[in-house]
Amino acid sequence: QVQLVQSGAEVKKPGASVKVSCKASGYTFATYYIDWVRQAPGQGLEWMGVIYPLGDTTSYAQKFQGRLTLTRDTSTSTVYMELNSLRSEDTAVYFCARRSGSGYYYFDYWGQGTLVTVSS
Amino acid sequence: DIQMTQSPSSLSASIGDRVTITCRASQGISRYLNWYQQKPGKAPKFLIFDASSLQSGVPSRFSGSGTGTDFTLTISSLQPEDFATYYCQQSYNSPYTFGPGTKVDVK
Repeated sequence: QVQLVQSGAEVKKPGASVKVSCKASGYTFATYYIDWVRQAPGQGLEWMGVIYPLGDTTSYAQKFQGRLTLTRDTSTSTVYMELNSLRSEDTAVYFCARRSGSGYYYFDYWGQGTLVTVSS
Repeated sequence: DIQMTQSPSSLSASIGDRVTITCRASQGISRYLNWYQQKPGKAPKFLIFDASSLQSGVPSRFSGSGTGTDFTLTISSLQPEDFATYYCQQSYNSPYTFGPGTKVDVK
C-alpha cells in the first residue's frame, strides 16, 4: 500500500534551517510528483512547492523562492524539504503529498505531517 | 494566483442532515477542483477530483458539482465520522491553491 512517512518534529531558532524527510513506499517513486503543503496552527493549507523525482525538477511558490529547496534521493525513495532563514511565522505542520492524476491532478496520499516549531 | 473562497466558514449540523459547502474560484477553472476532508491532528484525506468524481472508497453520501467558478460539496446524510474541516483546491494552475476551509461541527 502507498505510504509516505515523514521525519519527526523539530524545534528551531529563528534564522536557522530545517530539513524534513518524506519516505515513499508502495509505488514507483520516480514517476509521481511529490508536493509540500504546510498548515500553521489553526489555519488552512498552503501549497509550498513540488518535485518530480524522475527529472529532478522543482517548482516553488513565489512566497518561498530563495528559502525553500526540495531534493530527492531515488536510492531510498525519499524527498527532502529544506526551509532556510526560519522565522516564527514558519511554525507549522509540514505535509508531503503524492500528486496523481492525468490532466486533473490531486493529492491522493499524504504523509502524517511534521511539526516545525520556530522559537527563540 | 487563483484565489479560492469557501462558504460558510463553519456550520453546525446534526446526524442525518444534508450539508452543502460552496467553493468559488477567482477565475474560471473548468472542472479542476478537488475536495479534501481533514480531522484535527490528521493529514487531509482526498475525497473528490474533477469537481464530481469520487475517490475510490469514499462513501456515496459525498458528492460534488460545479464548473467554471462555482462548486459545491454535498453530504447527503451527515454521519458521525463526517464532522471535520473540508477544503477545496484548484488544480487548474500552479500554485494549486486551497480554500480557507469549512468546519462542520455538531449542532
